[in-house]
Amino acid sequence: SQQGEEDPQALSIQEGENATMNCSYKTSINNLQWYRQNSGRGLVHLILIRSNEREKHSGRLRVTLDTSKKSSSLLITASRAADTASYFCATDAGTGFQKLVFGTGTRLLVSP
Amino acid sequence: GAVVSQHPSWVICKSGTSVKIECRSLDFQATTMFWYRQFPKQSLMLMATSNEGSKATYEQGVEKDKFLINHASLTLSTLTVTSAHPEDSSFYICSARDMASGQETQYFGPGTRLLVL
Repeated sequence: SQQGEEDPQALSIQEGENATMNCSYKTSINNLQWYRQNSGRGLVHLILIRSNEREKHSGRLRVTLDTSKKSSSLLITASRAADTASYFCATDAGTGFQKLVFGTGTRLLVSP
Repeated sequence: GAVVSQHPSWVICKSGTSVKIECRSLDFQATTMFWYRQFPKQSLMLMATSNEGSKATYEQGVEKDKFLINHASLTLSTLTVTSAHPEDSSFYICSARDMASGQETQYFGPGTRLLVL
């Protein structure tokens, strides 16, 4: 399977704490994207990082990419209860068709 | 931001019937749409890539005669699950890319939950 791996599978923290999720993938990529999914809902795009970028920020989100290790991390700072969701990384191998291969996901629970 | 809708949001059907799911890009044109399937507590698995005006490209292991895809316009793609069986029960999600914007972001629909009895 080409599917990426994410760890941890589940993460439980208190409000205000930081949450870090890691993603590893198998093939060379054009870009890597992170998505959030609330239970039973569609996906919301969070951030995209290109293969020639190493770090990117968006509000409380910080994403890093290490193409030599084929890995990425998503850091959510000062977490809130509303951040409770599943988080998925997805890689675009740059085939021209924009196909995304999703990781296994991390379920984040932020308790008040 | 770009909006993608799906209809219906949920459907319950009897085994052997066919179910059609619509995916629409509401405020942009999408020459390419994607269909995913997600089982409970699992990740999304790409089923097929839907190209406007041409045949869909299916991923390995996905039966094209069972999951019929039609992308008749730049804003609409449909997925028909033919002769549905209980094992087809799943969460089906579509996505589309705003070609005019040049952005690489895919926008996802809210999903359709299918339950086959």
